[in-house]
Amino acid sequence: NAGVTQTPKFRVLKTGQSMTLLCAQDMNHEYMYWYRQDPGMGLRLIHYSVGEGTTAKGEVPDGYNVSRLKKQNFLLGLESAAPSQTSVYFCASSGGGTVEAFFGQGTRLTVV
Amino acid sequence: AQRVTQPEKLLSVFKGAPVELKCNYSYSGSPELFWYVQYSRQRLQLLLRHISRESIKGFTADLNKGETSFHLKKPFAQEEDSAMYYCALFGGGADGLTFGKGTHLIIQP
Repeated sequence: NAGVTQTPKFRVLKTGQSMTLLCAQDMNHEYMYWYRQDPGMGLRLIHYSVGEGTTAKGEVPDGYNVSRLKKQNFLLGLESAAPSQTSVYFCASSGGGTVEAFFGQGTRLTVV
Repeated sequence: AQRVTQPEKLLSVFKGAPVELKCNYSYSGSPELFWYVQYSRQRLQLLLRHISRESIKGFTADLNKGETSFHLKKPFAQEEDSAMYYCALFGGGADGLTFGKGTHLIIQP
């Protein structure tokens, strides 16, 4: 009964380094999302996908790239990390409509 | 474009007092609306959805299409209600799920 799993849970990067966050869901959901959560800013949508092979930009896409090569996985990439990308990242998936969205446990990323 | 507005970043009430967390939305069609809750150091989880017209943990929310609102209410607040609350809208199609900025609810003893 895994639901949505994010890897890794914590990471510290140096400015300029790259990394990929992995989100995996086992509920056969069409929609997948990446959000960042910052104090006082709530949840801000970075990128999302409405199905395998599709991606779309959200509210704050700059500095991030995503891929949805397989329906169950949604990858978030940082090509050149910046301190402004220090945040908690949440992945979510849903079947759309009235179907509940399920969230991962979050990834705490610090860029120094 | 769809939008969700939660005007209060922080709401503090005393235990036993009524609670109302405001949510307004902007969407041209008929949206699906949700309230999610995030307790300290936990992942977000669904609290309730408008289509179900249910009461969860004493909370209710009514969709008012005329006022484009979906306020969350509870008649008597409890300390365990302290959390971040997010209103969300699913507009369908390519728009996905949009969240408001959240309201931090603090219940004082």
